[in-house]
Amino acid sequence: ETGVTQTPRHLVMGMTNKKSLKCEQHLGHNAMYWYKQSAKKPLELMFVYSLEERVENNSVPSRFSPECPNSSHLFLHLHTLQPEDSALYLCASSPTSQGSWEKLFFGSGTQLSVL
Amino acid sequence: DQQVKQNSPSLSVQEGRISILNCDYTNSMFDYFLWYKKYPAEGPTFLISISSIKDKNEDGRFTVFLNKSAKHLSLHIVPSQPGDSAVYFCAARYNNNDMRFGAGTRLTVKP
Repeated sequence: ETGVTQTPRHLVMGMTNKKSLKCEQHLGHNAMYWYKQSAKKPLELMFVYSLEERVENNSVPSRFSPECPNSSHLFLHLHTLQPEDSALYLCASSPTSQGSWEKLFFGSGTQLSVL
Repeated sequence: DQQVKQNSPSLSVQEGRISILNCDYTNSMFDYFLWYKKYPAEGPTFLISISSIKDKNEDGRFTVFLNKSAKHLSLHIVPSQPGDSAVYFCAARYNNNDMRFGAGTRLTVKP
């Protein structure tokens, strides 16, 4: 248990569905992240939030919409996804968004399949 | 553009022997390198790191070597144990808030 909880663990959705991924951290961290891991590819950073403000958006398509209502919760809203969006989506948190990479704690991820 | 590459998707070693996991990078601006370990159904966890001003960092059975001229780093695990079986990700930091990961190497340690 790393203190970062993601739900659901698995999600299957059609291309016209709307769903949300949830992440919660119990570590008192101020920064939260969404990463995407496609099969046999590197982890890709999608979004970074620091103190509930988005500080980075790595050219992610608008069909992915993050929300950070407070420093403990992070959501990724999904709509009209494509089959190539099927991947493992990992949430992570760290004390700050600057230079805390040793203290980057990941959740177990949501395995998403888009049909 | 994949700036961090782990060219071996998998590695199998015998218990008690040395495991060597390799990582190559292309961006000379990377200044900090990390290894993460990932078990099935769990998120990656930090294992060991090294600054670009060093060429070696050791922590118990784990040692990371950095060859800046070759833009290459490696993780040595000795002796390897069955519990070390996992996927290992190499990562490199750039500009203090940008980190790039490799695709991972699956290590299997056979009893």
